[in-house]
Amino acid sequence: QVQLQESGPGLVKPSQTLSLTCTVSGVSISSGGHYWSWIRQLPGKGLEWIGYIYYSGNADYTPSLKSRVTVSVDTPKNQFSLRLSSVTAADTAVYYCARGGGTVYYAMDVWGQGTTVTVSS
Amino acid sequence: DIQMTQSPSSLSASVGDRVTITCRASQSITSYLNWYQHKPGKGPKLLIYAASRLQSGVPSRFSGSGSGTDFTLTISSLQPEDFATYFCQQSYSTPYTFGRGTKLEIK
Repeated sequence: QVQLQESGPGLVKPSQTLSLTCTVSGVSISSGGHYWSWIRQLPGKGLEWIGYIYYSGNADYTPSLKSRVTVSVDTPKNQFSLRLSSVTAADTAVYYCARGGGTVYYAMDVWGQGTTVTVSS
Repeated sequence: DIQMTQSPSSLSASVGDRVTITCRASQSITSYLNWYQHKPGKGPKLLIYAASRLQSGVPSRFSGSGSGTDFTLTISSLQPEDFATYFCQQSYSTPYTFGRGTKLEIK
């Protein structure tokens, strides 16, 4: 059974860098065929796709965050990570990691339970 | 970016009811439309992918239809565990985008 679990600080100061890790179990990221994605839900709003990365290292990001975001993969640890720089209160959200692609036409078929990140001094 | 317009934003219904939620894309996304169920404190759950394909393990009372720009999610007979928020999402092109969600509440 494939499972994803987000981890990282729940509180980040303005102007600092938000760093989250998603630990994958039940499948190897290096097996290929899927992308590994980050999504967030801002308070009282819908879901926002942040970006994804394939095992090959090919990554793509939403344009509004592209200048501040990096998604990377650590295959020995079977983890992937999100870094979002220069955060403000507007980045306060629940952050989810998810697996996509494979046999589900680029949908996201496995999600973590989410982690709340608050940006505040 | 492709805009996804979902309606209604909220819906009250009773156990056993048939409900339909609609999603419209700002341009054609062929069949790259997915539906998720989201409950508080959990990650979203994939219900339908490619507009009409039922994800493994999802009850058959859930169904999806549509292509191009207009799509629907139908729950044929609501069960107590179905009260949740539902999102549509396009995976036709990045940036992937979601509808604003439909909160399904018990009448």
